[in-house]
Amino acid sequence: GENVEQHPSTLSVQEGDSAVIKCTYSDSASNYFPWYKQELGKRPQLIIDIRSNVGEKKDQRIAVTLNKTAKHFSLHITETQPEDSAVYFCAASKGASGTYKYIFGTGTRLKVLA
Amino acid sequence: DAGITQSPRYKITETGRQVTLMCHQTWSHSYMFWYRQDLGHGLRLIYYSAAADITDKGEVPDGYVVSRSKTENFPLTLESATRSQTSVYFCASSESRKGQYFGPGTRLTVT
Repeated sequence: GENVEQHPSTLSVQEGDSAVIKCTYSDSASNYFPWYKQELGKRPQLIIDIRSNVGEKKDQRIAVTLNKTAKHFSLHITETQPEDSAVYFCAASKGASGTYKYIFGTGTRLKVLA
Repeated sequence: DAGITQSPRYKITETGRQVTLMCHQTWSHSYMFWYRQDLGHGLRLIYYSAAADITDKGEVPDGYVVSRSKTENFPLTLESATRSQTSVYFCASSESRKGQYFGPGTRLTVT
């Protein structure tokens, strides 16, 4: 069945360093890949997304890359800050508009050490 | 974010009881979703709906029932709650070309 694997499950970095979270999806028909950030006790919030016709997308300190051939995509956070500490989830969907069901990864707990 | 709300925010119920979790959105989004979140499993889709009166199963639908008589509401019912349904439940909605937006969640404990 459809599956999204996410690594690592936990990640600790020093403030100012970069963090990279990687996801692999199984369904080659997937064409929309959002990333969510969830702070403790809060709802998941969309931080960036990418569609299959784009290889890379950047928004300030956050970037996402997509390799359709290898079926993997990654989240890159540069110049990390303590407020980046949270759980990050990747997801894959077949709906180009993002309205089809998502398959989520199991999450990465990012800790930014001051 | 205030456009999608869930109630109750916290609920404790006993095994075998029926419980309904409410989700309401003010954006008139066509699509709505129910997820459960458990440690080690991330977010798993229970049911989703593409429009009023159109619903479909997700990854973990057993033991749950949904309805969508109005676009803005998408209630989730546990017909006979079990301890394995103790979880945090998130409702989400979306519209074309945009990602899903999540409600604040309902923490359900089944004793």
